[in-house]
Amino acid sequence: QKEVEQNSGPLSVPEGAIASLNCTYSDRGSQSFFWYRQYSGKSPELIMSIYSNGDKEDGRFTAQLNKASQYVSLLIRDSQPSDSATYLCAVNAGGGADGLTFGKGTHLIIQP
Amino acid sequence: DAGVTQSPTHLIKTRGQQVTLRCSPKSGHDTVSWYQQALGQGPQFIFQYYEEEERQRGNFPDRFSGHQFPNYSSELNVNALLLGDSALYLCASSLITGGTDTQYFGPGTRLTVL
Repeated sequence: QKEVEQNSGPLSVPEGAIASLNCTYSDRGSQSFFWYRQYSGKSPELIMSIYSNGDKEDGRFTAQLNKASQYVSLLIRDSQPSDSATYLCAVNAGGGADGLTFGKGTHLIIQP
Repeated sequence: DAGVTQSPTHLIKTRGQQVTLRCSPKSGHDTVSWYQQALGQGPQFIFQYYEEEERQRGNFPDRFSGHQFPNYSSELNVNALLLGDSALYLCASSLITGGTDTQYFGPGTRLTVL
């Protein structure tokens, strides 16, 4: 059974600080990793994808992947109140053969 | 560039009824995946369609069925509705190239079963 684990939170971070979101996964054969942001009542919006070990940066967002530890993280620098949302970690075995396996999400609150 | 669209936005049904949800993928995409998201949970994979065939299926009963049309649009059908089928149903589209499968979600259909 493929599993993706996230701390449900809420994670409260002051405005301007770094928010750190973590995710672990059980399927060692996983190839593709994604972070989605979901505002209340809305659908998931893709933030980052990462496929190789190491860091990948896109603006204020940095995704980190460690396949040996089966661990994915998302850092949000200079957090803004508009970053307050639920962040979903998703994992795919790769090649388009599998649907995404999602964690339950971490609820992030940025305090002004 | 049109994104993923879904219809209807909201739907109310009673137990035992049948429902059909519709999805049009993002322009240029050829694969459609369907997910069910219960309140407070992450999306759960129902099934994926590519070249008008069901490629893979998650842990959902046969009451859940689907179809993909030649224009890549897709339908999700749910028969004999149960109260537990109340959820946000999400469609995601992707283009299967290079071994990656980045999926983009539509706005979803909120289904309420009474």
